[in-house]
Amino acid sequence: DAGVTQSPTHLIKTRGQQVTLRCSPKSGHDTVSWYQQALGQGPQFIFQYYEEEERQRGNFPDRFSGHQFPNYSSELNVNALWLGDSALYLCASSPQGGYGETQYFGPGTRLLVL
Amino acid sequence: AQSVTQLGSHVSVSEGALVLLRCNYSSSVPPYLFWYVQYPNQGLQLLLKYTSAATLVKGINGFEAEFKKSETSFHLTKPSAHMSDAAEYFCAVSFRGGFKTIFGAGTRLFVKA
Repeated sequence: DAGVTQSPTHLIKTRGQQVTLRCSPKSGHDTVSWYQQALGQGPQFIFQYYEEEERQRGNFPDRFSGHQFPNYSSELNVNALWLGDSALYLCASSPQGGYGETQYFGPGTRLLVL
Repeated sequence: AQSVTQLGSHVSVSEGALVLLRCNYSSSVPPYLFWYVQYPNQGLQLLLKYTSAATLVKGINGFEAEFKKSETSFHLTKPSAHMSDAAEYFCAVSFRGGFKTIFGAGTRLFVKA
């Protein structure tokens, strides 16, 4: 059983560009959450998707957007990249709507903005 | 406001010694509490989870944590450290009625031979 997968593993962009990160949840999971982990810090909640809709959002600007597909996979889009967007982006999936459930994390996508 | 505080950004122990990583939370509603471990260049792996059943929770790799409501704490312990335990450890909390998980800043554990 494949766990949570993310692509790409690494990405280098320049300021002002746009980026799309992808996530496939663990088999049987219907809820996907995205986190940003800056160097030396804990993960910060960006948003969560369930039934193809954004269900809850953290303190991130509208430059961060997402999507969930019918097969439960998800994308994170970041527009107008800043240097400060450089971080490890983690995707986590959970079953049954995600409420109180354990989240399973992917290996992350490391984004570097120059 | 709901938050998680991990006391000590770095903890160093000798191999075979007790591991104690501290976590305190603030919450106005009953929480779910988690400990995750992160090895270099990897995602987070769940060590253990508290969901209001037994207050002493046993996890993988010999780790356990005790929920103490009166102290709003959920400290992680392991009786005997192993070199392979060297990693970053994150305490996290989610709340009944909510969906997001709040993580602490992390504690890096060093294990000396």
